Amino acid sequence: KNEVEQSPQNLTAQEGEFITINCSYSVGISALHWLQQHPGGGIVSLFMLSSGKKKHGRLIATINIQEKHSSLHITASHPRDSAVYICAVGIKAAGNKLTFGGGTRVLVKP
Amino acid sequence: EAQVTQNPRYLITVTGKKLTVTCSQNMNHEYMSWYRQDPGLGLRQIYYSMNVEVTDKGDVPEGYKVSRKEKRNFPLILESPSPNQTSLYFCASRSGSLVGGQYFGPGTRLTVT
Repeated sequence: KNEVEQSPQNLTAQEGEFITINCSYSVGISALHWLQQHPGGGIVSLFMLSSGKKKHGRLIATINIQEKHSSLHITASHPRDSAVYICAVGIKAAGNKLTFGGGTRVLVKP
Repeated sequence: EAQVTQNPRYLITVTGKKLTVTCSQNMNHEYMSWYRQDPGLGLRQIYYSMNVEVTDKGDVPEGYKVSRKEKRNFPLILESPSPNQTSLYFCASRSGSLVGGQYFGPGTRLTVT
């Protein structure tokens, strides 16, 4: 079983829709990261969370440490949000080494 | 501008010919890592370094070497590349505290024939 599981694997939305991506993990973590990878391949760090909620523009990330679960929300989605979104956790017992989820491929249609 | 640079961005080489992929960051970060990304397998850590002269193996270190002689540089060395090392490689850095996020380089697409 993977230590980090993301759902769904693929998601298609119409422009303007609200999108939620989920990430569950099974180990003790120091922090959880949400990353965005565009079709060109570059990876951008969106959020790093150790508790609560963070917001940046139309993106919101939440984490529930007790339930070992995080969500990434995209409000008023736009075609430029089309990308792969990757959840990664820093594992406490392994010197905060990052372990990655398999990614969620998001396609937003105009 | 805060950034992580990698060179080369694209490389096609032959089996057994030693190569080095350079990585440099300008943020004075303590922690640097190398990852490879393969279809269906996602991102996997090759090696990481928590500071100068401190390196450790990640999940898939076989066939790779690294060094950290200076804080800003973390080169990835393939002494004898093989076709199964064909992949997309990313270097990343972050500060030692848990405040800042990860900064990724632009990626190096390596093909070994």
